[in-house]
Amino acid sequence: AQTVTQSQPEMSVQEAETVTLSCTYDTSESNYYLFWYKQPPSRQMILVIRQEAYKQQNATENRFSVNFQKAAKSFSLKISDSQLGDTAMYFCASFNAGGTSYGKLTFGQGTILTVHP
Amino acid sequence: GAGVSQSPRYKVTKRGQDVALRCDPISGHVSLYWYRQALGQGPEFLTYFNYEAQQDKSGLPNDRFSAERPEGSISTLTIQRTEQRDSAMYRCASSLVLGGPSNQPQHFGDGTRLSIL
Repeated sequence: AQTVTQSQPEMSVQEAETVTLSCTYDTSESNYYLFWYKQPPSRQMILVIRQEAYKQQNATENRFSVNFQKAAKSFSLKISDSQLGDTAMYFCASFNAGGTSYGKLTFGQGTILTVHP
Repeated sequence: GAGVSQSPRYKVTKRGQDVALRCDPISGHVSLYWYRQALGQGPEFLTYFNYEAQQDKSGLPNDRFSAERPEGSISTLTIQRTEQRDSAMYRCASSLVLGGPSNQPQHFGDGTRLSIL
C-alpha cells in the first residue's frame, strides 16, 4: 500500500521569503509519480508541480521547485518569493503506475501555509 | 468544457435520503475518478473509470455507495440511505490517459459539499 506523510500541519512565511514544505512517501512500486496540489480557501484543487520518479532532475515551475530524494523517499516543495496568493493548504500526493494501487492518487494530510505581508 | 464540472455545488439532505452527485469531466478525458475529502484532510480515493468501465471500486466505503459512467463521459456517484458520517466534500477528477510514459495529471473539479442533517 502507498502512504504519504506530511509532518508539518501548519507553516508560515513572510511575503517574498522562501519556504519549504516536507513530504515523505512509501511505495513498493518502481514506476510512480509525485505531485503537489494547492487548495486555497476557495476549495479548488490546483496542480502545482509534478515529478516522474524515473527522472533524476528536480521539477521546477516558476517559483515552485521540488527536492526529490528517491532513496530517502522524500519529496519537498520549495516556494520562492512567497506571495499572499500562495496562502493555501498544500497536499503531497503519489500515483503508482503499476501494481494494485494503479489508478489512484494517495494524498498526505496536508500543510496549511500562511503567507504574511 | 474547460474544466471538470460538478453539480450540485452544495447539497443538504436529511438522513435516510438518497443523493446523486454528478461529474462532467474535461472533454476527451478517458479516466474519471471520485474522491471524498473530510474537512481539514486530504482526499481519499473512492473509485475510478476508464471510459465506461469501472476499474477499481475498492475505496467505496460500503454498498450504499455506487458509481456509474454509462457512456464514458458524465459520471454519477450515488449514495443511498445517507447517514451523517457521509457528510464531506466529494471531488471528481479526470485525466487524459491513464499511465503511459508522460502520465497525465488528474484535474479536479471544485467538488460537491454534502451535508447530511
